[in-house]
Amino acid sequence: AQSVTQPDIHITVSEGASLELRCNYSYGATPYLFWYVQSPGQGLQLLLKYFSGDTLVQGIKGFEAEFKRSQSSFNLRKPSVHWSDAAEYFCAVAPGDNAGNMLTFGGGTRLMVKP
Amino acid sequence: DSGVTQTPKHLITATGQRVTLRCSPRSGDLSVYWYQQSLDQGLQFLIQYYNGEERAKGNILERFSAQQFPDLHSELNLSSLELGDSALYFCASNLAGGREQYFGPGTRLTVT
Repeated sequence: AQSVTQPDIHITVSEGASLELRCNYSYGATPYLFWYVQSPGQGLQLLLKYFSGDTLVQGIKGFEAEFKRSQSSFNLRKPSVHWSDAAEYFCAVAPGDNAGNMLTFGGGTRLMVKP
Repeated sequence: DSGVTQTPKHLITATGQRVTLRCSPRSGDLSVYWYQQSLDQGLQFLIQYYNGEERAKGNILERFSAQQFPDLHSELNLSSLELGDSALYFCASNLAGGREQYFGPGTRLTVT
């Protein structure tokens, strides 16, 4: 069964600083990979996705993520964080075959932004 | 706005009761997914329907059931509720064969 690990439960960065959120997955084949963001009291918004091809993917709100097969990682990055980026971020995987579309989520990383 | 709607937004009920959560997928989406988000279990997949048929099951309790209707809206029924069922329940949808899922705003269930 696939699993997703987000090693950092909380991260605090200063506004304008760069950000990297870590995500490691365990799956037999290359899964489909996603990052979602959840603001307080809100649903989950898709930031970006990786299915195949270029391992550096661009998303909304200035986020990008890099797929590294050798490290089973899909880390999320942003060069300059804004106060509005404070939220919880979830990495998720779905089977990259016909086994079904269900998402397996990591535990989430709560991002706080200092002024 | 993802285009996925869920009602009600909040639900407070007592132990032993039964509730129904409703989800309307994005226009054109045939697949509906239900997820539960709780403090101790995190985000967990419950069940998927595709064009009215159950497609996949996850960690869904026997007290819970779901269905998808001909107009593609879906309902999640939770019965014999326990305190531990208090959680945020999300519905998501996607295109047939698509992989990214679009989430609704969720229904917050509180069991007292």
